[in-house]
Amino acid sequence: DAGVIQSPRHEVTEMGQEVTLRCKPISGHNSLFWYRQTMMRGLELLIYFNNNVPIDDSGMPEDRFSAKMPNASFSTLKIQPSEPRDSAVYFCASSLQTGMNTEAFFGQGTRLTVV
Amino acid sequence: QKEVEQNSGPLSVPEGAIASLNCTYSDRVSQSFFWYRQYSGKSPELIMSIYSNGDKEDGRFTAQLNKASQYVSLLIRDSQPSDSATYLCAVDFTGGGNKLTFGTGTQLKVEL
Repeated sequence: DAGVIQSPRHEVTEMGQEVTLRCKPISGHNSLFWYRQTMMRGLELLIYFNNNVPIDDSGMPEDRFSAKMPNASFSTLKIQPSEPRDSAVYFCASSLQTGMNTEAFFGQGTRLTVV
Repeated sequence: QKEVEQNSGPLSVPEGAIASLNCTYSDRVSQSFFWYRQYSGKSPELIMSIYSNGDKEDGRFTAQLNKASQYVSLLIRDSQPSDSATYLCAVDFTGGGNKLTFGTGTQLKVEL
């Protein structure tokens, strides 16, 4: 398996522009997570899906952020409009939820810079 | 608010020594605990999971869990320079097995 695939790997955009990050989870996994990592706040969970349904979006910082999972093999995280404080590395992770097992596998991340 | 606390380090150990990484968490009912390793500029990768009190060994790695003290640790024996990375402790506070809260990580440096 190719693992979790994210695109793009790097994104530089101007403040106010829309940014869309993409993720393809590991085939057969039923849970998908979007995380944001910064030096100050570490790794924060933004939202997670189970069987394509958003379960907990309490980590989404504000209405400028939205996430979708139209099918089991694709998810997007959108920021509109983007702001400099959104600059971070965004990770997508997936797991196969079986009982207590929460062994999540991470993609390589998208480094977002908003100028 | 559920929290996971780690000393940010850096923790420096000589090659061949035992590195001890510690993590405390705020909720006594938590069931699932994980250690991730993250090299600079890379994504986190899972190295150990532990669910019950006691020790769990996997190669040079041993995870130790003490739920009464709300404490989980990772020991790395025979430390190698390739072990130099940031180690993230993660806890599933929900009990549902699907939502991890991460600590901010401990940077480990293994010196020649």
